[in-house]
Amino acid sequence: DIQMTQSPSSLSTSVGDRVTITCRASQSIANYLLWYQQKPGKVPNLLIYAASSLHSGVPSRFSGSGSGTDFTLTISSLQPEDFATYFCQQSFSFPWTFGQGTKVEI
Amino acid sequence: QVQLVQSGAEVKKPGASVKVSCKASGYTFTRYGISWVRQAPGQGLEWMGWINGYNGNTNYEQKFQGRVTMTTDTSTSTAYMELRSLRSDDTAMYYCARESFKGLIRLFDCWGQGTLVTVSS
Repeated sequence: DIQMTQSPSSLSTSVGDRVTITCRASQSIANYLLWYQQKPGKVPNLLIYAASSLHSGVPSRFSGSGSGTDFTLTISSLQPEDFATYFCQQSFSFPWTFGQGTKVEI
Repeated sequence: QVQLVQSGAEVKKPGASVKVSCKASGYTFTRYGISWVRQAPGQGLEWMGWINGYNGNTNYEQKFQGRVTMTTDTSTSTAYMELRSLRSDDTAMYYCARESFKGLIRLFDCWGQGTLVTVSS
């Protein structure tokens, strides 16, 4: 199975800050990397697919980069509604696996 | 619009089984697969398996092999996930999610609202 490791597990930040979350795969997954946002008590929502493509309706302050084993999710200027937990996921090979999540809090 | 509506919360005793339903609407059910993902309280996301909406082929996470069965009813556009021999650590929110494609990339673009399964004696 492909292990997905996110860092940090949590981070304290402020509105307007630039936030960077990293995700590392245990083997190369090309660009088969997704990012989801989950707010408390809500379902996950897709933000980024193919490592760097923005899903429809997602604000442009979100961006993704990377390929192979190392990936990054960046929020250019954090907004109040962005406080949430972010998960990466690989869809390169079964079983699909998720990172453990990064909680972005005030 | 695309929507997945899941069945209601369940409370089960250890050793029992639970069957969760996921009714799809707003798209052609047989053109997409459905994955099941669970989330224990305060924990991360755990993929359980996938079922092809067209032919019913499945792929289960090894951890759940022998305990889980995923099925579909194309006449009602409904997917089902049955988990047997429940343990306390199966207590979690269970989600169904539609698997879509962007090019070669498979992704979850629509999620059900979740079904809370509580296992307690």
